[in-house]
Amino acid sequence: NAGVTQTPKFRVLKTGQSMTLLCAQDMNHEYMYWYRQDPGMGLRLIHYSVGEGTTAKGEVPDGYNVSRLKKQNFLLGLESAAPSQTSVYFCASSYTPGAANTGELFFGEGSRLTVL
Amino acid sequence: AQKITQTQPGMFVQEKEAVTLDCTYDTSDQSYGLFWYKQPSSGEMIFLIYQGSYDEQNATEGRYSLNFQKARKSANLVISASQLGDSAMYFCAMREHYGGSQGNLIFGKGTKLSVKP
Repeated sequence: NAGVTQTPKFRVLKTGQSMTLLCAQDMNHEYMYWYRQDPGMGLRLIHYSVGEGTTAKGEVPDGYNVSRLKKQNFLLGLESAAPSQTSVYFCASSYTPGAANTGELFFGEGSRLTVL
Repeated sequence: AQKITQTQPGMFVQEKEAVTLDCTYDTSDQSYGLFWYKQPSSGEMIFLIYQGSYDEQNATEGRYSLNFQKARKSANLVISASQLGDSAMYFCAMREHYGGSQGNLIFGKGTKLSVKP
């Protein structure tokens, strides 16, 4: 059981470079999320998706774009990286919350991104 | 206004003692869910316990229990018989519009728990 897999685990970028973080889940979850974690700030939602082909903005979406072309994959893109985007990024997925389940999030291991 | 407030940035507890981590939340919804996650120093996020707003009994999972006081909008995590392996960051989170289309979890800033031998 792979669960939620993020690639890459570590990346160093220069200001202005672009990159894509890939998240893949094998649990057939409808919902997927990208969070960033910064010291003292907890986890803040960047973007999320409630199904294939859908995306929505979270709390801190500026500077990021996402795509959900396949149900199992959720991509996070940085078009022009900035030092303020240095962070640990977590992908997560969940079943649709409802009477049958809690909608708890299943997390990937995180991706540490440094922008110089 | 913060949706989830964890007022204890750091806490210490003696091994084998119980500890309570505080969490208050702010919502006008009647239907919502509350979650606690643990993040050890290795970085992964581990789901601990869930409480639905309509659940009449406090949730329990092994040594973890959630002290849910709806009128006070608090959802404190109680860890009984603390172990050294409980040393970690603990995050409280809430899902509003439970069962609806919103979907996302809102997290507090966390409490760092250190268990002393």
